[in-house]
Amino acid sequence: QLQLQESGPGLVKPSETLSLTCTVSGGSISSSSYYWGWIRQPPGKGLEWIGSIYYSGSTYYNPSLKSRVTISVDTSNNQFSVKLSSVTAADTAVYYCARVYCTGGNCYLGDYYFDYWGQGTLVTVSS
Amino acid sequence: QSVLTQPPSVSGAPGQRVTFSCTGSSSNIGAGYDVHWYQQLPGTAPKLLIYGNNNRPSGVPDRFSGSKSGTSASLAITGLQAEDEADYYCQSYDSSLSGWVFGGGTKLTVL
Repeated sequence: QLQLQESGPGLVKPSETLSLTCTVSGGSISSSSYYWGWIRQPPGKGLEWIGSIYYSGSTYYNPSLKSRVTISVDTSNNQFSVKLSSVTAADTAVYYCARVYCTGGNCYLGDYYFDYWGQGTLVTVSS
Repeated sequence: QSVLTQPPSVSGAPGQRVTFSCTGSSSNIGAGYDVHWYQQLPGTAPKLLIYGNNNRPSGVPDRFSGSKSGTSASLAITGLQAEDEADYYCQSYDSSLSGWVFGGGTKLTVL
């Protein structure tokens, strides 16, 4: 059974960089069938897609966050990570990592959905 | 403001049928991209409920069903149960944003 687990600091100071890692177990991050993604949810609010990465390193980012986000993959450790720079209180949220999957072969980006999720980790931005 | 629009709340009595709407535009649902639905129980991570407009992952009861038409999609729950009380999110892809998008979510209250 595939499992994803987020890890990283729960408290980040304003203007600093938020860094989280997602460790994948029960499957390989290097499969050509999946992307891997980050999604966040501010307290009491809805879900926001942050970005996604393929095992080869190709990335897609939410345009509203693109200038501040970097997602990377470490295939040797079966992990992928997100860095969000210049954080403010508005970046306080539960951050989820997820597998981005599509059914069948020859998938287009529009075919993908998030089928496995980590439990999420709360990151608070405060001095 | 979410790219996909969902009503903030829906309610129903046990045993009833409820529906959730998800309205998009010509750059996402209307462009033919699939719609997927997630259930988020209080204090937990979202769980995939419907993929590819109307497909249920293994383990999801057939009380849950999805459909899509034009620039909108719907999720229906029949035989409503107390355990269905949760937030429900739709998700698709948007070609203008070149990325995946979520609706703002709908909170289901079982009366």
